[in-house]
Amino acid sequence: SAVISQKPSRDICQRGTSLTIQCQVDSQVTMMFWYRQQPGQSLTLIATANQGSEATYESGFVIDKFPISRPNLTFSTLTVSNMSPEDSSIYLCSVSVQSNYGYTFGSGTRLTVV
Amino acid sequence: QKEVEQDPGPLSVPEGAIVSLNCTYSNSAFQYFMWYRQYSRKGPELLMYTYSSGNKEDGRFTAQVDKSSKYISLFIRDSQPSDSATYLCAIYGGATNKLIFGTGTLLAVQP
Repeated sequence: SAVISQKPSRDICQRGTSLTIQCQVDSQVTMMFWYRQQPGQSLTLIATANQGSEATYESGFVIDKFPISRPNLTFSTLTVSNMSPEDSSIYLCSVSVQSNYGYTFGSGTRLTVV
Repeated sequence: QKEVEQDPGPLSVPEGAIVSLNCTYSNSAFQYFMWYRQYSRKGPELLMYTYSSGNKEDGRFTAQVDKSSKYISLFIRDSQPSDSATYLCAIYGGATNKLIFGTGTLLAVQP
């Protein structure tokens, strides 16, 4: 399975600022996924990032708030823009290398907005 | 109705106990059923997956799917303190072809 390096592992940010989270995979993958994990809630898919095309966002998530870049087959970034305390959460990137169900996750970015 | 419902826990069991973790799902079109384990401050890792109804065993872990009842379970035999983690069920398939997670069950195995 793929190995994912996600940075930063955690951050405390002021409201109104933006944070960019990086996700590096050790192999080429077609699709990368960004999830949000809030306490007591299930992992929620934010968007799917394909190389060479615009990311596809899920209901409730918009590009202006969560812009995503996918410059190549091993790297993606998620930016959380104009942050508010409600954005405090764990953000995870994920890839599927072998099959539709063998998703591998990064260790996550624990974001606190104050 | 949520697409996946998971018993929230938390669960605390003594070492050596048998643990049963359960989820229900609403859409019969879902095809793949998975269990992920998530240790504190780590991302989820795939523990087991099944495709059809029945049991799948891997060491101390058994995944069970009952498609007629839309019910999935994970059994852990001879539980160990190292099994202490959050367990998330996940389903895949249907029209959306997306991985949908339950809320997770926090398990603590006491030595």
